[in-house]
This record gives sequence, structure tokens and C-alpha cells, in this order.
Amino acid sequence: KQEVTQIPAALSVPEGENLVLNCSFTDSAIYNLQWFRQDPGKGLTSLLLIQSSQREQTSGRLNASLDKSSGRSTLYIAASQPGDSATYLCAVSGATNKLIFGTGTLLAVQP
Amino acid sequence: NAGVMQNPRHLVRRRGQEARLRCSPMKGHSHVYWYRQLPEEGLKFMVYLQKENIIDESGMPKERFSAEFPKEGPSILRIQQVVRGDSAAYFCASSRLADTQYFGPGTRLTVL
Repeated sequence: KQEVTQIPAALSVPEGENLVLNCSFTDSAIYNLQWFRQDPGKGLTSLLLIQSSQREQTSGRLNASLDKSSGRSTLYIAASQPGDSATYLCAVSGATNKLIFGTGTLLAVQP
Repeated sequence: NAGVMQNPRHLVRRRGQEARLRCSPMKGHSHVYWYRQLPEEGLKFMVYLQKENIIDESGMPKERFSAEFPKEGPSILRIQQVVRGDSAAYFCASSRLADTQYFGPGTRLTVL
């Protein structure tokens, strides 16, 4: 059974810092991995999707990497801003494209 | 280009009533997924549908819950005889193919 874990559970950094969020999964037989952000009381916003054959994806200040064999992904956020404060979720998909979500990292960027 | 739409955004029901949650996927998307986020818990997959077909319902409770995605109209998640434990945020997502899923704002169900 696939299990997804995110470390740390919560993170507080001063504005401008670079930071790394971690995601690990137990079954390497994934089709893709997706990173989302969720603002309080809101839905999920897709940030990046990495296909299983890819190593990384970049969008603006965000860079996500995938090491499928070791069951790990990282989300790198450069030059953090207060507007980046949110819960970040990673999710992996298998054969039927259903997403298995991690526990989330609550990020607070202090001005 | 509207995103995934869900309604109602908030729904209050008394125990024993029925709850109907609607989801309109993004234009051009024929794959719909439902997820549930219980208080203080993570998001859990419930069901995956394509037009008129249920592809994967492995996350659906065995009783009281059903989902459909008819040829015309939105996808419906139906909960019969609601109980307090059904109180949660229900999210719908859609995708064009079996790839990036785009989420709606969710329906927050409160059972009194």
C-alpha cells in the first residue's frame, strides 16, 4: 500500500530565504508526482507535475526533483515571500491516476 | 476559461438527510475525481469517473455514498442518510487525460 510522508510538518522562515520541502513515498511504481499548495479554507493549486521518467521540473521560483528509485521528491522554493505561506502537499499517482497525498508541510514566511 | 466549479460551496444537513455535491470539470476535461478531507486529516481519494463510467471507486465507503458523471451535466457525489462523521471538505478534480489534476474550491459539508 502506497504511503506518502512529508517532512517537516511545519516550517517557519524569514522572507528571502531559500527552502526545501521533502516528500517520500514507499512504492516506487508511480506514474507521476504532483506538488500542490493549499491556502486555508481553499482548494488546491497545482504547482508542478513530474512524470516518472523525468528528474525535475521548474516553474518560476519553484523547482521540484524526483528520485523515483529512492522514493523521494523535493520542492525547492527560492527567495521565499510572505505570499508563499500555505500548506504544501505532494501526491503520487499510480495506474488509475488516483492521487495518494502526503501529510503536508505548513509553511509560514515571516516578513 | 473557467476552472473546476463546485457547488454548493457550503452545505448544512441534519443527520439522516441527503447531500448532493456537484462538480463541473474544466472545459475539455472528461476525467473527474472526488477526494475528501476530514478535519485534521489529509486528502483521501474516493472515486474516479469518466463520462458515464466509474473507473476506480476503491476509496468510496461501501454504504450511503454514490457518484455519477452522466453524458450531459455535472458529476454528482451523493451521500444518503448523512451522519456527523461525514462532515468534511469534499474536493473535485478534473483532468484532460490521465495527467495533471486541477482542483475545484471544494464543498464544505456540515452535518448537524
